Amino acid sequence: GAGVSQSPRYKVAKRGQDVALRCDPISGHVSLFWYQQALGQGPEFLTYFQNEAQLDKSGLPSDRFFAERPEGSVSTLKIQRTQQEDSAVYLCASSYSGVSQPQHFGDGTRLSIL
Amino acid sequence: KNEVEQSPQNLTAQEGEFITINCSYSVGISALHWLQQHPGGGIVSLFMLSSGKKKHGRLIATINIQEKHSSLHITASHPRDSAVYICAVRDYSGGGADGLTFGKGTHLIIQP
Repeated sequence: GAGVSQSPRYKVAKRGQDVALRCDPISGHVSLFWYQQALGQGPEFLTYFQNEAQLDKSGLPSDRFFAERPEGSVSTLKIQRTQQEDSAVYLCASSYSGVSQPQHFGDGTRLSIL
Repeated sequence: KNEVEQSPQNLTAQEGEFITINCSYSVGISALHWLQQHPGGGIVSLFMLSSGKKKHGRLIATINIQEKHSSLHITASHPRDSAVYICAVRDYSGGGADGLTFGKGTHLIIQP
């Protein structure tokens, strides 16, 4: 497709379960970002990849959050032992090269932890 | 960390009105983004600017680097402009995370 694709669109999990969220960036985009958006709030930065290298993970809220992009294209955000406060929309964005280019956003994955 | 403030938080206007949404930030930046978010989560990038003014259709974005302030204007507003408009900034390198710092958004409703 032409845009950033995220799956699943919606995810419901029980507290304590592990979840994995997928992001397919625009083909050829070097940079990939993950953001977390709580209800009624603006997005908050989680982590940033340039190709397969995770250059910044300063926004990950705890060591239960882990992101990877092993081949420099598709990325997965994994949350282990989910907690209710993890409920949010997780947004993925990609840009052609670097942090100074416009970012193209996916539609997000809405995660609900019961 | 940069503090990004938007005003107003909510805005309801009549079709055809001229709309202004404001954004201020606390620390010098390398770029500022205006984004549009429709119900359901999809975010569209409207503008990225670091100085001056940009125009696209009925949308105009301005930035004043000295005053750390940006505005988004919508001329001849239309109900389809109803959305949340978000301001986001990129700090100068070394000053913060590599991602964007976002405002909380302005919820705009244009009534027919």
